[in-house]
Amino acid sequence: GAGVSQTPSNKVTEKGKYVELRCDPISGHTALYWYRQSLGQGPEFLIYFQGTGAADDSGLPNDRFFAVRPEGSVSTLKIQRTERGDSAVYLCASSLNKVEKLFFGSGTQLSVL
Amino acid sequence: KQEVTQIPAALSVPEGENLVLNCSFTDSAIYNLQWFRQDPGKGLTSLLLIQSSQREQTSGRLNASLDKSSGRSTLYIAASQPGDSATYLCAVSEYNFNKFYFGSGTKLNVKP
Repeated sequence: GAGVSQTPSNKVTEKGKYVELRCDPISGHTALYWYRQSLGQGPEFLIYFQGTGAADDSGLPNDRFFAVRPEGSVSTLKIQRTERGDSAVYLCASSLNKVEKLFFGSGTQLSVL
Repeated sequence: KQEVTQIPAALSVPEGENLVLNCSFTDSAIYNLQWFRQDPGKGLTSLLLIQSSQREQTSGRLNASLDKSSGRSTLYIAASQPGDSATYLCAVSEYNFNKFYFGSGTKLNVKP
């Protein structure tokens, strides 16, 4: 596709439920990032993939958060037992290689009730 | 841990004015610095990327400068237009690290 695609654009769930957020990066981009952004704040790093492997997952807040990128393209961020504090915009970005020009998707607004 | 600060948090200017947005970072051992624009409800759009060996980058009415030793970058916008209204964020990356650290942004409003 022409840009980074994220689905769904909005997700409303109940506390304790499981959610999956999808990111489809720009074709050929080997680096893929997940960030989380709260209102009025800058994006906060969650995880970085180089190809299929999670090269840096130091930003994941706890073991309820997990992400995969099995074929080195599409990535899924998985959140188990969601909590109200997980409510935020989850942003995905890709680049040709690590820490180069980043291309962001429009994000998924997650609301946990 | 790298800390990125942007001042001011908000700025309102009349159309046509030249303006400067500021970004400071605590650790000067950066790999590169990137300026982004974010429109409400949207993702971020990269405006300019400055490598650590560079002093500035220009794109149209935008000019970004980098002073690594003092831990500062500025984004200069010439002849501002209402369409420039958005939040501007800066982000830095470090050698041997795999992430960008973001500031909280400056929300710019250009009045017609």
